[in-house]
Amino acid sequence: EMQLLESGGGLVQPGGSLRLSCAASGFTFNSHWMTWVRQAPGKGLEWVANIKEDGTEKNYVHSVKGRFVVSRDNGKNSLYLQMDSLRAEDTAVYYCARETTVFKSYFDHWGQGILVTVSS
Amino acid sequence: DIQMTQSPSSLSASVGDRVTITCRASQSIATYLNWYQQKPGKAPKLLIYTASNLQSGVPSRFSGSGSGTDFTLTISSLQPEDFAIYYCQQSYSFWTFGQGTKVEIK
Repeated sequence: EMQLLESGGGLVQPGGSLRLSCAASGFTFNSHWMTWVRQAPGKGLEWVANIKEDGTEKNYVHSVKGRFVVSRDNGKNSLYLQMDSLRAEDTAVYYCARETTVFKSYFDHWGQGILVTVSS
Repeated sequence: DIQMTQSPSSLSASVGDRVTITCRASQSIATYLNWYQQKPGKAPKLLIYTASNLQSGVPSRFSGSGSGTDFTLTISSLQPEDFAIYYCQQSYSFWTFGQGTKVEIK
């Protein structure tokens, strides 16, 4: 069974850093782009970042460029999101998701999400 | 950036009702439009991809249509487990989501 399991969330002060992890199982991890999506409390969904199968290409939403870095370790079937210079507006549940292998992909499997709270 | 606008933002319906949710893109996205269902405290679940294709395991009472800028999600006969928030998502240029439509019990 396919599974994505996020970890590493918690409370951090503004300006601080946090690293999220997503452990994948049940599928061929290195055959898929992977993505991060976030959802602020009571709000809608926002795509954050994604990374190519081999890690050589990455994309980010404008609001996190220069502060967040997405990475992966295919040997460990794991996806990461390093979040620096955190702001209150980064407070959200962060989901990792698998992108389909088709052109103009969509997200067919999601993790359960992990809460990141940025507050003093 | 492509903006996605859903309507209505919320609706009240009864079990057995036919429900339609619309989604409009700020520019043409061909059929690169997907629909997700989210229940409280849970991750979104893919329902429909590329406008009209039913994801495996999703009940056939869900259907999608549209192309260009205007799309619809239809639930032919609302079931108790369908009360949730529904999001459209464009995948034409990166990804953006609509603001969501909350389907509540009447």
